[in-house]
Amino acid sequence: GEDVEQSLFLSVREGDSSVINCTYTDSSSTYLYWYKQEPGAGLQLLTYIFSNMDMKQDQRLTVLLNKKDKHLSLRIADTQTGDSAIYFCAESFTGGGNKLTFGTGTQLKVEL
Amino acid sequence: NAGVTQTPKFRVLKTGQSMTLLCAQDMNHEYMYWYRQDPGMGLRLIHYSVGEGTTAKGEVPDGYNVSRLKKQNFLLGLESAAPSQTSVYFCASSSGQGNSPLHFGNGTRLTVT
Repeated sequence: GEDVEQSLFLSVREGDSSVINCTYTDSSSTYLYWYKQEPGAGLQLLTYIFSNMDMKQDQRLTVLLNKKDKHLSLRIADTQTGDSAIYFCAESFTGGGNKLTFGTGTQLKVEL
Repeated sequence: NAGVTQTPKFRVLKTGQSMTLLCAQDMNHEYMYWYRQDPGMGLRLIHYSVGEGTTAKGEVPDGYNVSRLKKQNFLLGLESAAPSQTSVYFCASSSGQGNSPLHFGNGTRLTVT
């Protein structure tokens, strides 16, 4: 079955870059996503990458995908206190209801 | 535009009681999902639906039932609640087209004592 792993916690200083990592086991995934969850709220889509891409940049966000190592990362440049949240990576597969398999989530804490 | 709305926001049940969690979306989405979120385990899919009148099992369906009688609503039922069902439940919907993202509700926090 699918298995998506993330480290549980990351702490950075305001203004630094944050890098959140994710590993997955199923190489047949079609899209890989990053979602953000703020306290007491649902998940919001941050960005995504198609499985045949290596990199995607979206303003302060950079997604890197290494298919050989099944490794996905999210880099947040100039991290702000408003970036403090839980970040989930997720993978989807063709067919079967567009279901997503989520990672365990990484709690990002941004300190002044 | 309300998006995905879940009711109730909080609920406390005693073991053996039953309840229904309601999810409504106003985006005319075909696909709807119920996930549960537990510490250190991410989100796990309970059941999902790819259209009105259809339902399918996800990763952790035992102890839950669902119904999709109307396209905009997806109901999650617990017939006999157990403490292991203490969790935060999230409903989501998507159009189901290509890379359409999931839109999430704000969650229902359920405690079973």
